[in-house]
Amino acid sequence: ETLMTQSPASLSVSPGERVTLSCRASQDIRTKLAWYQQKSGQAPRLLIYGASTRATDIPPRFSGSGSGTEFTLTISSLQSKDFAVYYCQQYDDWPITFGGGTKVEIK
Amino acid sequence: QAQLVESGGGVVQPGGSLRLSCAASGFNMYWVRQFPGKGLEWVAFILYDGSSRTYADSVRGRFTISRDNSRTTYFLEMNDLKTDDTAIYYCARDPNNGRWFDDWGQGTLVTVSS
Repeated sequence: ETLMTQSPASLSVSPGERVTLSCRASQDIRTKLAWYQQKSGQAPRLLIYGASTRATDIPPRFSGSGSGTEFTLTISSLQSKDFAVYYCQQYDDWPITFGGGTKVEIK
Repeated sequence: QAQLVESGGGVVQPGGSLRLSCAASGFNMYWVRQFPGKGLEWVAFILYDGSSRTYADSVRGRFTISRDNSRTTYFLEMNDLKTDDTAIYYCARDPNNGRWFDDWGQGTLVTVSS
């Protein structure tokens, strides 16, 4: 099973700041990585797949990068609507696994 | 988005059964659960035509994923439920056989408690 580790577990950020979230896989997953955003009381929402491809209607301030075992989600200028929990998910092998999430809070 | 609608959750005693439903069109479909501590776990997968199914080790032999012949409703039959199965259950759509999910239902809460 591929273990996904996200860091940090939480961070406090001011609106307008640049945010970088990390996700590490326990083995090579090529670019088989997705990122999701989850707001309180809602289902996860797809942001990125294939490590760097934005999903439909996702604004360009969200970008993903990485391959192999190290991945990054960057929010170029954080907006108030972006405060949420972010999860990474690998789909290179079975079982599909998720990271533990990074909570982005208002500073 | 939000084209998927789950139903069927509730409170059940350990050892009991529940059947969850997901109204959806004909895609590869997954069930994913979210524990009270917020971790996400993939549970089950069914190919769009029903020809292949896969389960997480934690539920294999107890849960069954299926779909109706019209491919408009997917089911998760859950038997021998344990307290550790307590979670919000989401159905999630895989649009391109890529094993990532572009649409999720609103979730249905399953609570296993005596």
